[in-house]
Amino acid sequence: GAVVSQHPSRVICKSGTSVKIECRSLDFQATTMFWYRQFPKQSLMLMATSNEGSKATYEQGVEKDKFLINHASLTLSTLTVTSAHPEDSSFYICSALGQGQETQYFGPGTRLLVL
Amino acid sequence: EDQVTQSPEALRLQEGESSSLNCSYTVSGLRGLFWYRQDPGKGPEFLFTLYSAGEEKEKERLKATLTKKESFLHITAPKPEDSATYLCAVHLRAAGNKLTFGGGTRVLVKP
Repeated sequence: GAVVSQHPSRVICKSGTSVKIECRSLDFQATTMFWYRQFPKQSLMLMATSNEGSKATYEQGVEKDKFLINHASLTLSTLTVTSAHPEDSSFYICSALGQGQETQYFGPGTRLLVL
Repeated sequence: EDQVTQSPEALRLQEGESSSLNCSYTVSGLRGLFWYRQDPGKGPEFLFTLYSAGEEKEKERLKATLTKKESFLHITAPKPEDSATYLCAVHLRAAGNKLTFGGGTRVLVKP
């Protein structure tokens, strides 16, 4: 149990385009979902927290107009990187937390490369 | 300021050579400490949660312990498949459901 999927697993896009990443909890309802960013050989940095049906809460320094988060249902959250630039290239990981669960469960990550 | 520090940053072990990873924390209001394993190009995989000083948990060759200032992840007689990055994270009472991660320890076990 507690499986989280992400799609796509890898995406390459041109500078200036927008990219949408989906995060789904497959076998539980996620009251809260989190989006992280991870650079090579570094740890996870929390970007934002989203609760179903509410606006996301962004961490300090994360541009909410650039990283649009939608948590429309208890099993789906999306992260849209708008007007992507090469510096947005990174590994993006989502996690989901269900009612009564002791820990967040992580997706497999999405590798974004902006050319 | 809340801080989570992991050491060493990297660890090279021979197969069978037991060792310990450290996660030290200076935080206010700890609700829980988590250990995760992360393989290259993948998301973290949950290993353990520890809630109070003196608590210990085991899973196969891994054993996690917790004191008031730090946690240790002991790897007993590691195998090459234990090679991964091990992350610790703290859950603070004042932080809702957010986790604060340490920098991780990259473990390489050579056959």
